[in-house]
Amino acid sequence: TQLLEQSPQFLSIQEGENLTVYCNSSSVFSSLQWYRQEPGEGPVLLVTVVTGGEVKKLKRLTFQFGDARKDSSLHITAAQPGDTGLYLCAGYNNNDMRFGAGTRLTVKP
Amino acid sequence: NAGVTQTPKFQVLKTGQSMTLQCAQDMNHEYMSWYRQDPGMGLRLIHYSVGAGITDQGEVPNGYNVSRSTTEDFPLRLLSAAPSQTSVYFCASSYLRGGGGLSYEQYFGPGTRLTVT
Repeated sequence: TQLLEQSPQFLSIQEGENLTVYCNSSSVFSSLQWYRQEPGEGPVLLVTVVTGGEVKKLKRLTFQFGDARKDSSLHITAAQPGDTGLYLCAGYNNNDMRFGAGTRLTVKP
Repeated sequence: NAGVTQTPKFQVLKTGQSMTLQCAQDMNHEYMSWYRQDPGMGLRLIHYSVGAGITDQGEVPNGYNVSRSTTEDFPLRLLSAAPSQTSVYFCASSYLRGGGGLSYEQYFGPGTRLTVT
């Protein structure tokens, strides 16, 4: 059983659509990160959220940390083919980083 | 800066063989870690280190050893490889972010794809 559950596991959409992916846990985290991973490469950090209720925007990506610091969401507006990849959330406590299994996003032109 | 480097990129081992996966970073990060990534499982923490001479176990440490003699290097040793250790291994390094909360923003290497037959 994953400590962090990500949903959906797979998502295939058309260019221009909006989407939201979720990262849920029963545990509280001191911070949460979102990463994107391309095939054959290591994950690349997108954002870190540390305060309950925090919202961060990165161009067309909006990240939210739940008030109780147990869950997070990533919303992409007007998705583009370049957004295709594996999106991973990771929760951090006391030198221990736990990852979700990821959401594999495909954006078709 | 090269960032985080890992060697080799690919490796095939026979059951029972030993080997060391190399990881180096040139960012003077205190924190380094090793993960394995398996389909449908995400990344799982094997071992980590908060500085030279200090290591600790992560979620899945069995079958792996680590040491941290310098800030830059953090090798991962497989003492007796098993097919269950077939995976993609990632090394990562981090700095401590202050001002509002502790968080480790990790920088990952390109990975080592290991197959144990």
